[in-house]
Amino acid sequence: AQSVTQLDSQVPVFEEAPVELRCNYSSSVSVYLFWYVQYPNQGLQLLLKYLSGSTLVKGINGFEAEFNKSQTSFHLRKPSVHISDTAEYFCAVTYAGNNRKLIWGLGTSLAVNP
Amino acid sequence: SAVISQKPSRDICQRGTSLTIQCQVDSQVTMMFWYRQQPGQSLTLIATANQGSEATYESGFVIDKFPISRPNLTFSTLTVSNMSPEDSSIYLCSVGVRGSDGYTFGSGTRLTVV
Repeated sequence: AQSVTQLDSQVPVFEEAPVELRCNYSSSVSVYLFWYVQYPNQGLQLLLKYLSGSTLVKGINGFEAEFNKSQTSFHLRKPSVHISDTAEYFCAVTYAGNNRKLIWGLGTSLAVNP
Repeated sequence: SAVISQKPSRDICQRGTSLTIQCQVDSQVTMMFWYRQQPGQSLTLIATANQGSEATYESGFVIDKFPISRPNLTFSTLTVSNMSPEDSSIYLCSVGVRGSDGYTFGSGTRLTVV
């Protein structure tokens, strides 16, 4: 069965520090990859997505992610975080033949401290 | 991308009762999904709402407990039936358009069963 692994359940960082949230997936077939953010008591918002083309994907709020097929990874990065980036971040994948159902990671809680 | 209106945003219900959650989209969409997010957890897909036919349920979810309607391409409802405290969760509607990119989520319904 396909799976998504977010390697860190919690990531504490100081404001203005860089951050990387790690995501690995199990499939070796064509995949479509997503990062979503969930701010406290809110719904999910799409940060960025990889469908095809350039492996470096830029999203909203200064986030970017790199698709690495050989390592089956899609890590999320931001060079300088703000307090307002404190949220839960979810990695998700779907692939051809899965009827567009998303497979979700368990989430990474990013806590940005002053 | 599509804009979703999900109602109610929250509710507190007595055990044994039922709650119907509505998901209204501002445009026609191919795919509609219902998710559950238990406290501190990732998202779990309940079912895919199919227009004009019965919903497709994931393992562990049954129609008697979570009946779903989708009368057209812009609207769906999820009912949580005969509720128990274990049903306390956030329920989320999500939509996707075949051939486009990404999925949009409603703001969620926070359900507490007492």
